[in-house]
Amino acid sequence: SQKIEQNSEALNIQEGKTATLTCNYTNYSPAYLQWYRQDPGRGPVFLLLIRENEKEKRKERLKVTFDTTLKQSLFHITASQPADSATYLCALGRGTGFQKLVFGTGTRLLVSP
Amino acid sequence: GAVVSQHPSRVICKSGTSVKIECRSLDFQATTMFWYRQFPKKSLMLMATSNEGSKATYEQGVEKDKFLINHASLTLSTLTVTSAHPEDSSFYICSAPDRGKETQYFGPGTRLLVL
Repeated sequence: SQKIEQNSEALNIQEGKTATLTCNYTNYSPAYLQWYRQDPGRGPVFLLLIRENEKEKRKERLKVTFDTTLKQSLFHITASQPADSATYLCALGRGTGFQKLVFGTGTRLLVSP
Repeated sequence: GAVVSQHPSRVICKSGTSVKIECRSLDFQATTMFWYRQFPKKSLMLMATSNEGSKATYEQGVEKDKFLINHASLTLSTLTVTSAHPEDSSFYICSAPDRGKETQYFGPGTRLLVL
């Protein structure tokens, strides 16, 4: 069955360091992978999308890599700030246009001052 | 960016009653909306795809008679939890796709507590 795994334990890092979150998947051939941020009691907010033919994507302090051979995506936040503390979800989708997304369980990131 | 709203943000009801949750796209039209359910510290589970002008498509294991979905206009979808029971208590979130793109805009969620 399809499975998307993210670090279940919270990731604690010091302000200014780079946070690296992992998303692994099995039995799935996604056309793209997305990362979302979710704050407690709120809906997810879209951050980045990377397609299967892309190796890396950047947006300000965020960087995403996508390795379809390893079936893994890494999500990096450089120069992390306490305001980056949240749960980060990866989501996989197939095809183009309106498609159902399959979400990972999310990893909680805690950035200490 | 596009905004999706939900109402109410929080609702407490007695077992056996029905609860309606509204999802609105505020500055864009959405022919498709998605309804998710999220348990504490768990991922979002897709419940159904709401289609404007036609029947919703439910995911396997989701009771369509229990979770009634109506997508009456291009900006409004409603989820009605009928004859709610304590096990229906959860965080319900809707989303609308960005037209022509793969990303989704999520609502703020509705916390349902059934006593």
